[in-house]
Amino acid sequence: QVHLVESGGGLVRPGGSLRLSCAASGFTFSDYYIGWVRQAPGKGLEWVSYISGARNIVSYADSVKGRFTISRDNARNQLFLQMNSLRADDTALYYCARVFMSLRGVEYYFDNWGQGTLVTVSS
Amino acid sequence: EVVLTQSPATLSLSPGERATLSCRASQSVSDYLAWYQQKPGRAPRLLIYEASNRAAGIPVRFSGSGSGTDFTLTISSLEPEDFAVYYCQQRSNWPPLITFGQGTRLEIK
Repeated sequence: QVHLVESGGGLVRPGGSLRLSCAASGFTFSDYYIGWVRQAPGKGLEWVSYISGARNIVSYADSVKGRFTISRDNARNQLFLQMNSLRADDTALYYCARVFMSLRGVEYYFDNWGQGTLVTVSS
Repeated sequence: EVVLTQSPATLSLSPGERATLSCRASQSVSDYLAWYQQKPGRAPRLLIYEASNRAAGIPVRFSGSGSGTDFTLTISSLEPEDFAVYYCQQRSNWPPLITFGQGTRLEIK
């Protein structure tokens, strides 16, 4: 059974940094792309980033490019999101989500999600 | 960037009725479209991928259709547990960038 558990959220001042983690279990972690999706309070879903299993492919939404860095440790089954230069509009629940794989390969949809970790950017 | 527009913003129906939710893309996304369901306080759940394929464990009352720019999620006969917010999501061809629609709230009439 796939299990994703995020941690590392909290209150941070504008301009500050935070590092989120996601612990994965129940599947062969290194075989899958995995990513982050966020949801501001009372708002819709916004894709943030994903990374390939081999770590050679990464992609970011324009809203976070140059400020956030995604990485993973396949030996420890962990995903990370380093967030720098945080702004008030980065305030959101951050979900770790596994990218769906079909017989055709990577499908760039999210088939398993954690419960999220809340990041609040405020002075 | 491809923009997805969902309609209506809110849909009020009764259990047993048929629900039809729409998602329109600002440019063709072929069939690279998914639908998710999200209940309050819960993570989203993948329902449909590649426009019309049900994800594992999804009841047959959920179906998806469309291609290009116009897509539809249909729930054939609403169950009480179906009242939630529904999002569509597309992936661009290459490099794959991902965007979500703003959501449709399906509420009990």
